[in-house]
Amino acid sequence: QKEVEQNSGPLSVPEGAIASLNCTYSDRGSQSFFWYRQYSGKSPELIMFIYSNGDKEDGRFTAQLNKASQYVSLLIRDSQPSDSATYLCAVKEYGNKLVFGAGTILRVKS
Amino acid sequence: DTGVSQDPRHKITKRGQNVTFRCDPISEHNRLYWYRQTLGQGPEFLTYFQNEAQLEKSRLLSDRFSAERPKGSFSTLEIQRTEQGDSAMYLCASSSRPGTPNGDTQYFGPGTRLTVL
Repeated sequence: QKEVEQNSGPLSVPEGAIASLNCTYSDRGSQSFFWYRQYSGKSPELIMFIYSNGDKEDGRFTAQLNKASQYVSLLIRDSQPSDSATYLCAVKEYGNKLVFGAGTILRVKS
Repeated sequence: DTGVSQDPRHKITKRGQNVTFRCDPISEHNRLYWYRQTLGQGPEFLTYFQNEAQLEKSRLLSDRFSAERPKGSFSTLEIQRTEQGDSAMYLCASSSRPGTPNGDTQYFGPGTRLTVL
């Protein structure tokens, strides 16, 4: 079983700060990487996907991928209390299934 | 695009009973996935369909679990002789064809929360 590792947190940041969430994966052949947000009791909601090395920006969110280091990160700029949630990193294995990390709990303090 | 829907949203059952969940994917999505999520963990893959064909099953999927997608549209997941360890959130996701824009992206439904007493 390929593994995806995330720090469980909680990661606490003040409102307006940058939140940095990190993820490492074991399968060097992985090609597709996803970040989902999950509020308590709800289902995962897609934030971003990234396929290529480097940065991908979407609004306040930036995903960063380094395949050589097998490392994916998500930056959230201008963090808001509504960003408080669990952030799940997922890696697509050969075939089609996603392998998820256990998630990082983010708390944004107002 | 009405999103992925699941029914029921909550199910409470007694140990030993059978339960069945339904998932309706995003229209025109030909791939459908089932995952299970327990508290504090990420979703774990159970099985995957492309159209009506079940192409992959996890070792987590014991012989008490069966999934179908008879016409390549909605899918059902049945758990027979439920056990307390089956208590979890059962999530369905769908994705469009590979090679299409965002073809790898899986969109999740609201989930069915199962409690086995």
